[in-house]
Amino acid sequence: EIVLTQSPGTLSLSPGERATLSCRASRGIRSHLAWYQQKPGQAPRLLIYDSSNRATGIPARFSGSGSGTDFTLTISSLEAEDFAVYFCQQRTDWPLTFGGGTKVEIK
Amino acid sequence: EVQLLESGGGLVQPGGSLRLSCAASGFTFGMYAMSWVRQAPGKGLEWVSAISATGDKTYYADSVKGRFTISRDNSKNTLYLQMNSLTAEDTVVYYCTKVKATSDWFFDSWGQGTLVTVSS
Repeated sequence: EIVLTQSPGTLSLSPGERATLSCRASRGIRSHLAWYQQKPGQAPRLLIYDSSNRATGIPARFSGSGSGTDFTLTISSLEAEDFAVYFCQQRTDWPLTFGGGTKVEIK
Repeated sequence: EVQLLESGGGLVQPGGSLRLSCAASGFTFGMYAMSWVRQAPGKGLEWVSAISATGDKTYYADSVKGRFTISRDNSKNTLYLQMNSLTAEDTVVYYCTKVKATSDWFFDSWGQGTLVTVSS
């Protein structure tokens, strides 16, 4: 099973600041990584797929990068609605796996 | 607009069974693989099971293999998850999800979730 490790567990930032979230895979997954955002009481929402492609309707302040084992989700300038939990997910191999999540909270 | 509406959750005793359904609309259901993902309250996401667009291929997490069965009825635009031998560890919210594209196991649409509680 491919284990995805997200860091940090919690990121405390202010609106307007840049957020950098990390996801590390236990073995190479090429670019087969997605990022999801989840707000309290809501289902997750797909933000980024195949490491760097924004999903439909996702603002340009969200960007993804990486390949192999190390991936990054960057939010260039945090807006109020961006404070949420973010999960990464790989599709290279079965079982599909998710990272444990990073909570982005208001400082 | 894609809509996924789960139903069938509720309270069940340990060792019991439950069948979840997911009614899909807003897209050509029979052209997309589907999946179930679950989440304990306040915890992370766990992929549970997936099924190909035609239903000929199914996949399971080790934690549910042999106990859960995923299926679909493309004539009814409905996805199912039959859950047997339920334990307290199965007490979570179950999400129905749609893949973004063929053979692309990322999920671009999610239902609102249905809560399953396993307790005596």
